Order: sequence, then structure tokens, then C-alpha cells
Amino acid sequence: DTGVSQDPRHKITKRGQNVTFRCDPISEHNRLYWYRQTLGQGPEFLTYFQNEAQLEKSRLLSDRFSAERPKGSFSTLEIQRTEQGDSAMYLCASSLWGLAGRGNEQFFGPGTRLTVL
Amino acid sequence: AQTVTQSQPEMSVQEAETVTLSCTYDTSESDYYLFWYKQPPSRQMILVIRQEAYKQQNATENRFSVNFQKAAKSFSLKISDSQLGDAAMYFCAYRKTPLGGKLIFGQGTELSVKP
Repeated sequence: DTGVSQDPRHKITKRGQNVTFRCDPISEHNRLYWYRQTLGQGPEFLTYFQNEAQLEKSRLLSDRFSAERPKGSFSTLEIQRTEQGDSAMYLCASSLWGLAGRGNEQFFGPGTRLTVL
Repeated sequence: AQTVTQSQPEMSVQEAETVTLSCTYDTSESDYYLFWYKQPPSRQMILVIRQEAYKQQNATENRFSVNFQKAAKSFSLKISDSQLGDAAMYFCAYRKTPLGGKLIFGQGTELSVKP
């Protein structure tokens, strides 16, 4: 399977704990995006990288959230001191920037569902 | 700030019939992209169709077509000959730049297909 993968698929944690999610993009893709989707809503943008550079962060990304893409390949999203409001599906997407047409399509992973008790 | 609105939380269609999902958006940009994504239950989101704002011709992909009204900032999705596999959440999305960038999604429309 050469699609976007995310690990873990499900995470249950207690309030106050730290959690880390991983995203592996499609191998040749240079852009990687993180979105958050709560039940019954559309995904909301969190942040994105081009190679290892973090180009944009949403106001939704409080100081408890940090994302990295150290070698321009996989990315991690860490949430510190989790709160019940952090419960959501965290989606990762990747794309190949710089090409017109379908090359800019964002391909989504299956998501990591976080439940904070 | 750009916004995307889907005013139909749920829609239903009979198998083999046609259904139209509505989407409106707000932007001050003149060049942008619009998308419809499909999210089946417990499965990942996939792109259904895309429309470049500078193109007047409406995009089509097999049974899926759009009605893009730039002046009205409207972007509806028409699904013809609906199939059971079309049942899913459908999200309208906007992207500011032609070459990539974040997507801004609507709230979604849940489509059910009756056999």
C-alpha cells in the first residue's frame, strides 16, 4: 500500500496525558498537512509542512500542540496535557507541490481517532 | 477569511436517481480551486471532483458533475445514476492558491442511497 498511513488508528488516553501521532505521507510528496475533524463536522486545518519547514499554523494549534517533520518524510503531532475537547479524528494528508493539475491533490490518510477520558 | 457553507446536513436519493448537493463559499480571491470530497463510513476521504475558478466550463467525472456559479459563489455537486456505494459524507472544500495550500471545508452533507 503506497497511500498515506497514520499510526495509531485509535488512541484512548486520560485527561492530562501526552499523546503523539505519526503520519507517513506518500513517498514522493513534499507537502504534509494535519487536520482535525470532530463528529459531524468538516475537517479543520491545523498546520502544514513543505519538506521539513512548517509553513503555516492555525490559531487552533494552541501551545499544547506541536508538529514536526524532521527529515521531510514522516511527521508527528504531539498533544501535551490533553483535554476532553481534544477528542477528535486527526487527519493527515500529503501532496506534491509544484505541479499543476492533479499533482496538487491532497491524499488523505485514514486518521487517528483520539478519545480523552 | 474564506468560508464554506453546506446547508444540507442530510440528503437521501433513490438508487439510479439523481441528487444535487449544495455548497456556497465566500472569498475575495479571484483565482482559487473548489473540491468535493467523499468520506465513506470509517474510510478515508477521497477526492471526487475539482474545479478551477478561472475555468468557466463545469467539471465532470463520470457520474459526477458540478454547477459552478462564480458570481453567486455557488458550487453544487450532481450525482447521476446514484449507486449504493455513493452513500457517504460529502464535503465541499476551497483552496486559495492554484498550486497548493490548506483546504477549507464545509460542514458536510450525509448522503444516503435507498435501494
